[in-house]
Amino acid sequence: SAVISQKPSRDICQRGTSLTIQCQVDSQVTMMFWYRQQPGQSLTLIATANQGSEATYESGFVIDKFPISRPNLTFSTLTVSNMSPEDSSIYLCSVEVGTGRPYEQYFGPGTRLTVT
Amino acid sequence: AQSVAQPEDQVNVAEGNPLTVKCTYSVSGNPYLFWYVQYPNRGLQFLLKYITGDNLVKGSYGFEAEFNKSQTSFHLKKPSALVSDSALYFCAVRPPLSGGYNKLIFGAGTRLAVHP
Repeated sequence: SAVISQKPSRDICQRGTSLTIQCQVDSQVTMMFWYRQQPGQSLTLIATANQGSEATYESGFVIDKFPISRPNLTFSTLTVSNMSPEDSSIYLCSVEVGTGRPYEQYFGPGTRLTVT
Repeated sequence: AQSVAQPEDQVNVAEGNPLTVKCTYSVSGNPYLFWYVQYPNRGLQFLLKYITGDNLVKGSYGFEAEFNKSQTSFHLKKPSALVSDSALYFCAVRPPLSGGYNKLIFGAGTRLAVHP
């Protein structure tokens, strides 16, 4: 398994501003994932981040809105840019580890974002 | 389109009774299947996964899941429910061709309420 921490745990932001969410893992991992969980809904994958390469974004998500950094094998950031109330969600990072393929994903505690 | 369905928004069970949380999927080929649990204000926790082989998979906290290929189902079960099992449960599928990474498609989630 992996121990994952996220900062901040929650924030209230004004529309038009940006927030950067940090994700720290206690071991080196190749892939890190960023998900969004809108209120009362399921998880949707935003992008996959590999160290040393551009993040891969899912349909409906773009780099200008959700820029991602992956400077090393234990850390990643997700920025939510030019926020609107529709961006109010829980943002979770996850990593892929395990004893046999396909590896299971382990999730951080999430960042609860409210945009006013 | 590839999808995961959890037909019940909520399942209510008395403590000590068996529980079942239903999941069906629509994916081409042979998918990998996962169950996760989300406790309040916490990230998702991995419970179990099905890759191949025995249709009954055992996981954490006494949970198990039964894979049924003909019915394209992967129902989560536990012989005797505990109040502490009350949480939000997500079924997820990884399609067999995911572009080389562990892209998970999540169901909408089922809230399990276990009553004393």
